[in-house]
Amino acid sequence: NAGVTQTPKFQVLKTGQSMTLQCAQDMNHEYMSWYRQDPGMGLRLIHYSVGAGITDQGEVPNGYNVSRSTTEDFPLRLLSAAPSQTSVYFCASSYSMTGYPPYTFGSGTRLTVV
Amino acid sequence: KNEVEQSPQNLTAQEGEFITINCSYSVGISALHWLQQHPGGGIVSLFMLSSGKKKHGRLIATINIQEKHSSLHITASHPRDSAVYICAVRYTSGSRLTFGEGTQLTVNP
Repeated sequence: NAGVTQTPKFQVLKTGQSMTLQCAQDMNHEYMSWYRQDPGMGLRLIHYSVGAGITDQGEVPNGYNVSRSTTEDFPLRLLSAAPSQTSVYFCASSYSMTGYPPYTFGSGTRLTVV
Repeated sequence: KNEVEQSPQNLTAQEGEFITINCSYSVGISALHWLQQHPGGGIVSLFMLSSGKKKHGRLIATINIQEKHSSLHITASHPRDSAVYICAVRYTSGSRLTFGEGTQLTVNP
């Protein structure tokens, strides 16, 4: 099925551990992005990419790295997990960052850092 | 402080009721989006508006550019409408979307 695939769906990490959240899309979208969703706050942009080899920071990039070696994949790396990174993470893609056509979202990754 | 304000934060309704969710923003925008987040977490786009009104089934979205305000209406609400509804805007000064906190809607049978 066409869409955005995020893995894993759930993850528990210990403080200081590193991990990679995977995001893949098969719609040939140029724009891909990572958001975190926290209670009482809207989705906040972590990093984004407008094409293979091009990435940029969003609103809350500290503690996260990204790369975009292919059009399909946009992994998010947590370098040294902290409790403040406990959140739900969403990957989204589209032909354009403007929101038209609408973003396609992944199903989310619920991350807990203890 | 979020630049996109939604109200109410939580809304409980009885099946069949007419529902209104509001979104206000602070400066000029190019477009406003309404999205739905299902209880399982998935987020889907409902509408994109730059002016006027759009309708899809029982959902109606309106926008007043002068008042910097948009509303999402649900007619004849149903328990399956229970979800978080999210407003997002693209400011004329930028390219990205800025998201509101969301409105949790619960429709009881």
